[in-house]
Amino acid sequence: DTGVSQDPRHKITKRGQNVTFRCDPISEHNRLYWYRQTLGQGPEFLTYFQNEAQLEKSRLLSDRFSAERPKGSFSTLEIQRTEQGDSAMYLCASSLDSGNQPQHFGDGTRLSIL
Amino acid sequence: ILNVEQSPQSLHVQEGDSTNFTCSFPSSNFYALHWYRWETAKSPEALFVMTLNGDEKKKGRISATLNTKEGYSYLYIKGSQPEDSATYLCAAPWGKLIFGQGTELSVKP
Repeated sequence: DTGVSQDPRHKITKRGQNVTFRCDPISEHNRLYWYRQTLGQGPEFLTYFQNEAQLEKSRLLSDRFSAERPKGSFSTLEIQRTEQGDSAMYLCASSLDSGNQPQHFGDGTRLSIL
Repeated sequence: ILNVEQSPQSLHVQEGDSTNFTCSFPSSNFYALHWYRWETAKSPEALFVMTLNGDEKKKGRISATLNTKEGYSYLYIKGSQPEDSATYLCAAPWGKLIFGQGTELSVKP
């Protein structure tokens, strides 16, 4: 069990640029989640997958955000035309298929928009 | 809409003090309640997943209780140590997890 890994750990980019983050979940976990966390708030749900199927996407998520999990293993989160308000910590988590199973989190990707 | 609330938002205690914080959640359609600890520069770590009304779980000096009928859970830390300094998050599953805003605990030596 190597845990959930996220890449990169930090990303600094100019407003208007596109960014892509990667998450590698624990191998036997079929659920993968993306959350966003800003200062003073708990993690906010973005989207989640069961295997390769994207089951839910937050209504707060604009069309600039897209996520994929093409083979049911790793996932990518892309933000197009980044804005200042996108600056946040982006967390990935994985779990077995049940709400009473704990989620295992990666270290997150800290995004800073200049 | 599922809403999870935590209080207090922050807490400053001295080493050796015992402390507790609250998580409240809708009591209808209850399924489970998660507690996580999030230390600075680390990833959130699962502490407990609680499912039964009246349940009490313990991990070292940390324990949690659950009241599903009134919709709250308490997290207790006995004899706080500086290494307990972290943000403590509770969350309710609704497919994904719905998190509270967290309680930031600072323990001074």
